[in-house]
Amino acid sequence: QKEVEQDPGPLSVPEGAIVSLNCTYSNSAFQYFMWYRQYSRKGPELLMYTYSSGNKEDGRFTAQVDKSSKYISLFIRDSQPSDSATYLCATPYSGAGSYQLTFGKGTKLSVIP
Amino acid sequence: ETGVTQTPRHLVMGMTNKKSLKCEQHLGHNAMYWYKQSAKKPLELMFVYSLEERVENNSVPSRFSPECPNSSHLFLHLHTLQPEDSALYLCASSQVGLGYTGELFFGEGSRLTVL
Repeated sequence: QKEVEQDPGPLSVPEGAIVSLNCTYSNSAFQYFMWYRQYSRKGPELLMYTYSSGNKEDGRFTAQVDKSSKYISLFIRDSQPSDSATYLCATPYSGAGSYQLTFGKGTKLSVIP
Repeated sequence: ETGVTQTPRHLVMGMTNKKSLKCEQHLGHNAMYWYKQSAKKPLELMFVYSLEERVENNSVPSRFSPECPNSSHLFLHLHTLQPEDSALYLCASSQVGLGYTGELFFGEGSRLTVL
């Protein structure tokens, strides 16, 4: 099974809020996980990736994986209007190096000034 | 030109028309992909070409026909489409091989409307 579940939202928050975006997955063989960001009328672009369990931080963004509960999270601190976009979680299907990524539906985030 | 470019950005066609979507990558990558993006649905992989050879097609209807003449260009030929084929079609490229992390580089997409 290769599904990744993600609540499509939309999610609306005030500027400066902490945002939590989440996905769940079903296949315990998945090894690493990615977050893509897609602005309106643009293609997705890789925001962060993290391997196995634990946290990875990049500026205001933190990616977290909990393999025991099969839960993937992206936290955005001090959210800005420029963070308004659709965020998609993804994981390679059939393990690392696979040609195929399995994507969630994406969560549309709006940060209100 | 840099990155991945797609043309046209918008396309309206009738069910009996024949049209093509074009994608060009300027990144020197060895794999190219077509994805379909519909509202409220996950990105759907349609076709993968690695080293110009088609690797996967995920049971896409035959009214979609891909072509990859070289490692930099990818086409999606469309004929006798249905209204439910209206979607954003995204092209992507990647460099697969040792150490590949799965990162895809996407174009801005071609918005297709089938009347």
